[in-house]
Amino acid sequence: SQQGEEDPQALSIQEGENATMNCSYKTSINNLQWYRQNSGRGLVHLILIRSNEREKHSGRLRVTLDTSKKSSSLLITASRAADTASYFCATAAPYNNNDMRFGAGTRLTVKP
Amino acid sequence: EAGVAQSPRYKIIEKRQSVAFWCNPISGHATLYWYQQILGQGPKLLIQFQNNGVVDDSQLPKDRFSAERLKGVDSTLKIQPAKLEDSAVYLCASSRPRGVAYEQYFGPGTRLTVT
Repeated sequence: SQQGEEDPQALSIQEGENATMNCSYKTSINNLQWYRQNSGRGLVHLILIRSNEREKHSGRLRVTLDTSKKSSSLLITASRAADTASYFCATAAPYNNNDMRFGAGTRLTVKP
Repeated sequence: EAGVAQSPRYKIIEKRQSVAFWCNPISGHATLYWYQQILGQGPKLLIQFQNNGVVDDSQLPKDRFSAERLKGVDSTLKIQPAKLEDSAVYLCASSRPRGVAYEQYFGPGTRLTVT
């Protein structure tokens, strides 16, 4: 299984600080995606990084991918209370881009 | 564009009863997914449709779960009979290809409680 495993399980920071979440996976992937889930709601796609990419940026988000270590990190800079949510990484198998496997997520709390 | 619609939002049933969930994907999205998300865990794929055909149902408990996507648009997921361990949020998502990678759009989910 190429299911991602997020680390830490929970993270609590102050507003304005940076938040870093990590994801490790087990097998080869085609791409890795990060999603956010606010309490009681569906998941929202944040960013996708392909296996041949090493870093991507989107606003305050920065994602890195190290395929040699089978790991990825999500950095949220200058965090806001509205960033409080659960963050999931999902990996897509090389043979089927539609076959996404999610980890258990990191619960981020940003205190105002 | 309108998002993925799901109904109902909440459902409480007793064990051994039946329940059905409905999903309407984003217009033009050929791929539709049903996920089960147990509290504290990530979403687990139950079934994936491409138009009205099943692509992957390897994690669907077929003795009690069934799903269909008639006409390749909206879809229903049914549980019959329900067990206590089926209590979860059932998420529907849809996607259309962008190059070689697929971004999924999720609905708000249906929270099922089995008592």
